Amino acid sequence: NAGVTQTPKFQVLKTGQSMTLQCAQDMNHEYMSWYRQDPGMGLRLIHYSVGAGITDQGEVPNGYNVSRSTTEDFPLRLLSAAPSQTSVYFCASSPRRDTEAFFGQGTRLTVV
Amino acid sequence: KQEVTQIPAALSVPEGENLVLNCSFTDSAIYNLQWFRQDPGKGLTSLLLIQSSQREQTSGRLNASLDKSSGRSTLYIAASQPGDSATYLCAVNQAGTALIFGKGTTLSVSS
Repeated sequence: NAGVTQTPKFQVLKTGQSMTLQCAQDMNHEYMSWYRQDPGMGLRLIHYSVGAGITDQGEVPNGYNVSRSTTEDFPLRLLSAAPSQTSVYFCASSPRRDTEAFFGQGTRLTVV
Repeated sequence: KQEVTQIPAALSVPEGENLVLNCSFTDSAIYNLQWFRQDPGKGLTSLLLIQSSQREQTSGRLNASLDKSSGRSTLYIAASQPGDSATYLCAVNQAGTALIFGKGTTLSVSS
């Protein structure tokens, strides 16, 4: 199994550009979530999904959109990139709400 | 609001030492607690998961305990090795939706 796959691994954007960070899992997990990791702040939840068609906001959702049209995919969209969105982004999945979470290798995003 | 704290923020030990990493949380109403390892520039690797009804979990040289009533968890690493050098993160699963993380303990094991 590939597990949780994130693409791209690195990305540089100009302020105001939009892009989509991809996340796919092949484990048929219901729960998926996006986090950002910043120095001194730890990992913070952006958005999460408890199943296809269901999403909700986390701690820092502003500037990001998500959708969950399939069980496998949970893309994160940056609508208009800002330097404050420079971060490392992690996607995670788990089979149920009370089970082990598995993380992707991350996307390192720089907004200039 | 749940807050997760990890102490110490950094730790340096010589090879072979046994060590304990600490994690505390403010709200005991959790589903489970998970310990992760993160190497520089890499993703998170799950080490141990402790359900709220459990007291401890073991995997090889690692042992994690959970005292939900006092809001504490410890990760015990036996006979540390240079390859154990990494950042260790604890995270609590509250409300069963997503994880709330501590800021981590960066461990350096010297040979």
